[in-house]
Formats: sequence, structure tokens, C-alpha cells
Amino acid sequence: QLQLQESGPGLVTPSETLSLTCTVSGDSISSSGYYWGWIRQPPGKGLEWIGSIYYNGITYYNPSLKSRVTIYADTSKNQFSLKLTSVTAADTAVYYCASPYTSGRLGGPFDYWGQGTLVTVSS
Amino acid sequence: DIQMTQSPSSLSASVGDRLTITCRASQSISSYLNWYQQKPGKAPKLLIYAASSLQSGVPSRFSGSGSGTDFTLTINSLQPEDFATYYCQQSYSTPVTFGGGTKMEVK
Repeated sequence: QLQLQESGPGLVTPSETLSLTCTVSGDSISSSGYYWGWIRQPPGKGLEWIGSIYYNGITYYNPSLKSRVTIYADTSKNQFSLKLTSVTAADTAVYYCASPYTSGRLGGPFDYWGQGTLVTVSS
Repeated sequence: DIQMTQSPSSLSASVGDRLTITCRASQSISSYLNWYQQKPGKAPKLLIYAASSLQSGVPSRFSGSGSGTDFTLTINSLQPEDFATYYCQQSYSTPVTFGGGTKMEVK
């Protein structure tokens, strides 16, 4: 059974870098054909796709965030991570890692999700 | 980007009701439309994929239809556990985009 678990600081200072990690169990993130992604949800608002990484390391980002986002993988730890630079209060959100595991399509559907982690941007 | 517009944004309903939520894409997305259910404090849960395919384990009272730009999610005989927020999502092209959500509350 595939499981995803986010981890990282719950509080980030404005203008600093937000860093989160998703630990995957139940399969290897380097297994052929799988995408691993990040999706966020500001409090009381809707869902926004941040970006995804393919098993071979190719990354895909939402153009609205592309200049500030990096997604990378650590296959030795079976983890993939998110870095978001120059954060502001508008980046306060619950951040989910998710995978369109069964379909193997970049855009989804996302059938596996972590439980989410709230990141607050505040001084 | 493909814009996804859901309606209504909120609704009140009673147990046993039959409900329909609509989702409209700003351009044709064929059948690349997915529906999710989200309860407070929880991650979204996939209900319907490819517009009309029921995800494993999801009750058969949930159904989806549509293609092109117009889609619907129908819930037959609403159950207490169905009160939640529902989101549509297009998987036709990147960036992946979601509808704004439909919050369902008890009447």
C-alpha cells in the first residue's frame, strides 16, 4: 500500500525559503513511470498544483510559481522535496504531496495523498 | 491555463436528497476530468476519474458524466458522511487546475 508523508517546519519567516519533504513508502520513487507532486491549499481556499517530478528526475512546475520553486528527489531515502523561495504571507497553506500513481499521468488523477502539513509564513 | 468553474459554490441539502454539481472547463478537456471529496482537516479523496469512472471503494451513489467542457457529479440518496467539499480537476494539460469547490452543508 503506497503511503506519502510530509515533513518540515510549520513556520517560515517572510522572504525566507520554505522546505518540505515527502517520504514515500510502499514503492520506490525511482520506479519507472511514476510522478510525484506537490499541491497546496491556503486556509479556507481551493487547491493549487505546485509541480511534479518524474521518476527520472524531470520536473514540471506551475508557471505561476516556477521562478520560486524547485522539486528534487533523494532516491536513497525514497523522498522528494519542495523548496519555495522568497515566501510571503500568501504562501501560507496546507501543503500536500500527492501522486497520480495508478494512472501514471502527469496531470492525474491524484489517487494517493499525504495527510498535509500546514506552513505559516509569519515573522 | 484551463480555468475550471464549479457551481454552485455552496449548497444545503438533506439526507436522502439527490444532488448535482456542475463543472465547466474554459476549453475542451475531452474526458480528462476528476472529482474529489474533501472533509475538514483531511486530504482530498479521489471519487471519480476520467469523467465517469468510479474510483475503487467509492459508493455507487456517486456518479459522473460529461465530456468536452461540461461535467456533472451526481450523488444519489445523500448520506450523512457525504457532507463535505467537492472539487473538480482537469488532467488534460499542465498546469493542472482545480475548480473552486462546492461546499455541501446540512439543511
